[in-house]
Amino acid sequence: DQQVKQNSPSLSVQEGRISILNCDYTNSMFDYFLWYKKYPAEGPTFLISISSIKDKNEDGRFTVFLNKSAKHLSLHIVPSQPGDSAVYFCAASGGNNRLAFGKGNQVVVIP
Amino acid sequence: DGGITQSPKYLFRKEGQNVTLSCEQNLNHDAMYWYRQDPGQGLRLIYYSQIVNDFQKGDIAEGYSVSREKKESFPLTVTSAQKNPTAFYLCASASLTEIQETQYFGPGTRLLVL
Repeated sequence: DQQVKQNSPSLSVQEGRISILNCDYTNSMFDYFLWYKKYPAEGPTFLISISSIKDKNEDGRFTVFLNKSAKHLSLHIVPSQPGDSAVYFCAASGGNNRLAFGKGNQVVVIP
Repeated sequence: DGGITQSPKYLFRKEGQNVTLSCEQNLNHDAMYWYRQDPGQGLRLIYYSQIVNDFQKGDIAEGYSVSREKKESFPLTVTSAQKNPTAFYLCASASLTEIQETQYFGPGTRLLVL
């Protein structure tokens, strides 16, 4: 049973606009959440993370929001750039040194 | 220049053949991981190791084997028992001394069956 779910597998957005990616989880023991970006035929690159004691973390154009009561997190990218076109994976950890990954969201930024 | 290296980038396997994928890291990380990615799928954990000479099965360990003789190295063998080995294989490492674990990934190896 998948513990981390990413719906809406693909997203197209105009350059300069905001991209919003959503992620839901089922395991209430998860306390650390990460977003990775992946280009084809390359390894994922760590983007940003958030601890369960926070509800927002910002790093440049990337902001992650966490709603623990809803077991939901989202990644905002603003402004979106063509180089942001990639697959984005949501991941979660419950302190057991393992990560559970979602299936990913394909983002296409249209110039 | 610290990082995680995987070799080869592409690997071809014949029926009944075992093949070994290499993963090396010079980040002094304690933990290392092997994942498999299939089209349209997330990353599924094959094996992981938190300390030298010890490793644990992940969610899809059948048909795979690993060793952890050195902290820097965590090779993965895809055995003939793995009936559907064609996939993109990713190695990752993490420091267990950090409060929160972040895994860092290598560039991946694509395995194809002839």
